[in-house]
Amino acid sequence: QQPVQSPQAVILREGEDAVINCSSSKALYSVHWYRQKHGEAPVFLMILLKGGEQKGHEKISASFNEKKQQSSLYLTASQLSYSGTYFCGTEIRGAQKLVFGQGTRLTINP
Amino acid sequence: DSGVTQTPKHLITATGQRVTLRCSPRSGDLSVYWYQQSLDQGLQFLIQYYNGEERAKGNILERFSAQQFPDLHSELNLSSLELGDSALYFCASSVQGLGYTFGSGTRLTVV
Repeated sequence: QQPVQSPQAVILREGEDAVINCSSSKALYSVHWYRQKHGEAPVFLMILLKGGEQKGHEKISASFNEKKQQSSLYLTASQLSYSGTYFCGTEIRGAQKLVFGQGTRLTINP
Repeated sequence: DSGVTQTPKHLITATGQRVTLRCSPRSGDLSVYWYQQSLDQGLQFLIQYYNGEERAKGNILERFSAQQFPDLHSELNLSSLELGDSALYFCASSVQGLGYTFGSGTRLTVV
């Protein structure tokens, strides 16, 4: 029941936008997004709990379409510090566990 | 410092041996989760504890076991180690409904 992320890798120039998608075959209770830099621990970005919810900061935001069991992470005007691997984690109601996608590697070049 | 403490940071051991990884959750967090991350791979869920009780299990091998103690720290025991067990082991803690806070991980190398 691992969610599927796309694309697997993205290379951008600083200032460009990116969208990372996460889809599940199961009905979702929540979706989490994390960023992990090489050799470091994953860092929590945001959690989405309701269908159609969109939240986040001005330049990093996410949406959650509960009916389609999909979530997307939007990175606007990317900065060098955004580089890393992005993971979505999905939770099924009552499952008490977060299952992570395989990750999307984002590289931002100057 | 995320507030989640994992020890040791690095561990090198031989095949067939047994090791114990330790995790202290962030203050106030009752849930502890263990994940395994092999080289350039995703995060594989192993097991979750909530206030001392096992709540969820992933594809955790029978050679692996865990527990959470009354002071809420958790230990992950890995026995009869194989080369394929070499990985980063992360512990995370959370308050229900909020995001996970991960520790810095224990890098296990089995030789």
